Amino acid sequence: AQSVTQLDSQVPVFEEAPVELRCNYSSSVSVYLFWYVQYPNQGLQLLLKYLSGSTLVKGINGFEAEFNKSQTSFHLRKPSVHISDTAEYFCAVSHSFSSGSARQLTFGSGTQLTVLP
Amino acid sequence: ETGVTQTPRHLVMGMTNKKSLKCEQHLGHNAMYWYKQSAKKPLELMFVYNFKEQTENNSVPSRFSPECPNSSHLFLHLHTLQPEDSALYLCASRGSSYNEQFFGPGTRLTVL
Repeated sequence: AQSVTQLDSQVPVFEEAPVELRCNYSSSVSVYLFWYVQYPNQGLQLLLKYLSGSTLVKGINGFEAEFNKSQTSFHLRKPSVHISDTAEYFCAVSHSFSSGSARQLTFGSGTQLTVLP
Repeated sequence: ETGVTQTPRHLVMGMTNKKSLKCEQHLGHNAMYWYKQSAKKPLELMFVYNFKEQTENNSVPSRFSPECPNSSHLFLHLHTLQPEDSALYLCASRGSSYNEQFFGPGTRLTVL
């Protein structure tokens, strides 16, 4: 079984400051990794994904994440945040082979990012 | 319409009512999901359908009854709900590659 831990439930940060949202996973097999964002009263929107290849993945809205296999981490970063980045962010993992329940996503409990003026 | 749509967006119902949530995906995907999202709790997977067949039911109470008439439509029939069932219900779909899921905007359900 796989699991995802998002170490910070809330991250307040001032506008234009950098931010890092942490995500660690556990799995005995190779994985795909995802970050989703959820704005208030909306569904989840994919920010970025790691499938294979380069460990640095760039996504929408200026976000990027780095896959670190030895540390089983997939931290999300942005060099300068905006007020509009205030939202909840979810890290998710699935096995990287396609059969049955292995294709399901396991989500972390989420990190609320609040950007302060 | 593009992506994944859900109706209604908001629903208030009494404990004795019967209502249904609808999800439609316009992405040509073969798998569809129902999730429950409650305040302060992780996302809970409820049901999974692959090619219209239910492949997963995560010990969901029988007062929630899913229906998948075709690969594009998914329903969640609700009856005799409890106040603790109040939550955001999210629908998602998945294509054939990389396990990425696409989510609808959700239905905010309040049970009185």
